[in-house]
Amino acid sequence: EIVMTQSPATLSVSPGERATLSCRASQSVSSDLAWYQQKPGQAPRLLIYGASTRATGIPARFSGSGSGTEFTLTISSLQSEDFAVYYCQQYNNWPPITFGQGTRLEIK
Amino acid sequence: QLQLQESGPGLVKPSETLSLTCTVSGGSISSSSYYWGWVRQPPGKGLEWIGSIYYSGSTYYNPSLKSRVTISVDTSKNQFSLSLRSVTAADTAVYYCALEGDWPNYWFDPWGQGTLVTVSS
Repeated sequence: EIVMTQSPATLSVSPGERATLSCRASQSVSSDLAWYQQKPGQAPRLLIYGASTRATGIPARFSGSGSGTEFTLTISSLQSEDFAVYYCQQYNNWPPITFGQGTRLEIK
Repeated sequence: QLQLQESGPGLVKPSETLSLTCTVSGGSISSSSYYWGWVRQPPGKGLEWIGSIYYSGSTYYNPSLKSRVTISVDTSKNQFSLSLRSVTAADTAVYYCALEGDWPNYWFDPWGQGTLVTVSS
């Protein structure tokens, strides 16, 4: 099973600033990585797939990078609606499909 | 626009079977070579993949749940279902269904709104 580890667990950033979230895989997943945003009481929303491709309707301030075992989600200028929990997911080697434990992005 | 909606009991007794259905609208569950998946989230915790079913009926399960899980598809009703046997309090979670995609694009989009299932006597 591929273990996905996200860091930090909680990230405090001021609106308008840049946020950088990390996701590490226990073995290479190539570029088979997705990022999701989840707000309280809502289902996760797909942001990024293929490590760097934005899903339909996702603003350009969200960007993904990385390959192999190290991945980054960057939000270039935080808006109030971006404060949420973010999960990474690998789909390179399954079953099982595995998610990271999440990073909570909070207002500083 | 594809939409998914979970349905089923919100309360299940310990040792019994949890049964949920996901109804797909805005598209046919059998019209494309997609997988359809179930993901759960215990209160205040992260996401856990339960399993997936191919439109033809082939299934893949999380090894941690495999002995207790069955996922099935009913193309005539445009639905797929989850059955989880011998539940305990640890199975209390919000259960989501989602479109997983086709080879090799196994991400989840869109998702249903989720349904909370509580295991309690």
